[in-house]
Amino acid sequence: AQTVTQSQPEMSVQEAETVTLSCTYDTSENNYYLFWYKQPPSRQMILVIRQEAYKQQNATENRFSVNFQKAAKSFSLKISDSQLGDTAMYFCARKDNFNKFYFGSGTKLNVKP
Amino acid sequence: EPEVTQTPSHQVTQMGQEVILRCVPISNHLYFYWYRQILGQKVEFLVSFYNNEISEKSEIFDDQFSVERPDGSNFTLKIRSTKLEDSAMYFCASRVPGQAASGANVLTFGAGSRLTVL
Repeated sequence: AQTVTQSQPEMSVQEAETVTLSCTYDTSENNYYLFWYKQPPSRQMILVIRQEAYKQQNATENRFSVNFQKAAKSFSLKISDSQLGDTAMYFCARKDNFNKFYFGSGTKLNVKP
Repeated sequence: EPEVTQTPSHQVTQMGQEVILRCVPISNHLYFYWYRQILGQKVEFLVSFYNNEISEKSEIFDDQFSVERPDGSNFTLKIRSTKLEDSAMYFCASRVPGQAASGANVLTFGAGSRLTVL
């Protein structure tokens, strides 16, 4: 099955601290794309970070970085120096070699002042 | 920054009524998608559309659903006879074509259309 699993329905973190959101997926493909999308309370999903499976180097975007473990089919998101504006629902997603994107069930992140 | 635009932002309808949700994808994007999200639940794939035809659809996308791109800019989702369980947020998304280009595999989402079926 082409599933994406986010095992943490909800997480909390203190402002300025670091938090890691987990994601695992299932695929038999060798090349694919992985994403983390953020959905703030306004509800529009925006791209946070992406990783191409053929690249071994973990992607980073400012305070956001990933730990991509291809053999383990794991793709976690680390948010450093958490800010109040990071409060949102975070979705892990995978694109297959064709046209389809698979989304996880989401992790609700609460950043506390 | 280019945006995917969706209208209406919120629609309330009676069960059994037809609903059309509209989307204007980014102009150079050629792949279009509809997803839905029932409140608090996961984002579910409905359908993908390329070259004026459906390229893939989920089991949710039954005969009550249809999509079309009538005029080269709008991309619409029609629900012929709405049911209570169709109440959800419907997201349109689009992307550029190609596999190798850096932006080709990134979905850009609209803000969503909230559908409430009474």
